[in-house]
Amino acid sequence: QKEVEQNSGPLSVPEGAIASLNCTYSDRGSQSFFWYRQYSGKSPELIMSIYSNGDKEDGRFTAQLNKASQYVSLLIRDSQPSDSATYLCAVNDDYKLSFGAGTTVTVRA
Amino acid sequence: DTGVSQDPRHKITKRGQNVTFRCDPISEHNRLYWYRQTLGQGPEFLTYFQNEAQLEKSRLLSDRFSAERPKGSFSTLEIQRTEQGDSAMYLCASSWGTEGEQFFGPGTRLTVL
Repeated sequence: QKEVEQNSGPLSVPEGAIASLNCTYSDRGSQSFFWYRQYSGKSPELIMSIYSNGDKEDGRFTAQLNKASQYVSLLIRDSQPSDSATYLCAVNDDYKLSFGAGTTVTVRA
Repeated sequence: DTGVSQDPRHKITKRGQNVTFRCDPISEHNRLYWYRQTLGQGPEFLTYFQNEAQLEKSRLLSDRFSAERPKGSFSTLEIQRTEQGDSAMYLCASSWGTEGEQFFGPGTRLTVL
């Protein structure tokens, strides 16, 4: 499986702030990238997919992809307590997904 | 509910017993995947099907593990002679096409005593 590295957490941010999550991957040929949110004891939930270099925005979430640097990030604007979860970066690896270990985000009131 | 479903949600078994899990994918999805997740780690790929054909198995999938997807619909994952190291969350996901987004079911949490 391809290597996917995420910045180690936990990440604690105040309510209303921006949470910034980073992910790097080993295979320069990777084409599809995903961010999943996982609440404790639950299964991963897809929140963003990105395929092209640049930014992709969906509500309070923005994914950024830089294939030359093999880097993908997720920004969560106006963080809410409900955003407290583990965020998993995933890279398409010949149809299956390779995941990072996740970054745990805690939004404090 | 048209999402991925899994059954059972929890399974406690004794070492050496056999267990079987079931996954029902989103109906129009042709690809079905099994992953395993342990505490503090991301999901690890086990195997996947395109329609009824099992196209890839991870080296993590020992001979004690077998998966089927008869008629390209639901899938089963069987673990024979369970070991304590098999304790994990077993996740099923489905997608359409090769680059399609994968959607996960609620998972089956296995505890081997």
